[in-house]
Amino acid sequence: DVKVTQSSRYLVKRTGEKVFLECVQDMDHENMFWYRQDPGLGLRLIYFSYDVKMKEKGDIPEGYSVSREKKERFSLILESASTNQTSMYLCASGRGTTYEQYFGPGTRLTVT
Amino acid sequence: ELKVEQNPLFLSMQEGKNYTIYCNYSTTSDRLYWYRQDPGKSLESLFVLLSNGAVKQEGRLMASLDTKARLSTLHITAAVHDLSATYFCAVDRSGAGSYQLTFGKGTKLSVIP
Repeated sequence: DVKVTQSSRYLVKRTGEKVFLECVQDMDHENMFWYRQDPGLGLRLIYFSYDVKMKEKGDIPEGYSVSREKKERFSLILESASTNQTSMYLCASGRGTTYEQYFGPGTRLTVT
Repeated sequence: ELKVEQNPLFLSMQEGKNYTIYCNYSTTSDRLYWYRQDPGKSLESLFVLLSNGAVKQEGRLMASLDTKARLSTLHITAAVHDLSATYFCAVDRSGAGSYQLTFGKGTKLSVIP
């Protein structure tokens, strides 16, 4: 089974803090993704990566950055957290001709 | 810009009944995915539909894709309580094979005994 894990299920941070969300997958997938999920909006893609040290902006990259130093690990960074970044963050990985994505359990981030 | 619309957004149905969730999208694509999400949990892949006319079935769920109509359906047969969840469709915005998906807003299904 594909396993995608995220470092925290719940996080509470203060406005202005730098926040790191970590994601690790164990299936040797080249592709990894960060989404945020908000009620009534579905999932929106923040950033994705096709390979180590490569990154591409998704639909809503503003206020976020990412890092991929190793194939299995993809980090999402909030340089200066703001209250409008309170959300559920989902990491996913994928490989293969079907382009199917496998999701982690999610991190519910609250910025106060 | 690709738009993906699911309807209904909320669905309450009795056990044993049949119903269909619709996923319409606005631009050409040959690839569509259905996911299930239980409350507080992550997304679980249900179906991968990769061509016009594709039909997949798993238990009481059946998904189909009509690329000409830009429509996918998720049909529920003889619903049971365990099917209560939120169902998302996601469309490949490149149309021909990529990881860039646009998700619908989800259909929250409640199956009542």
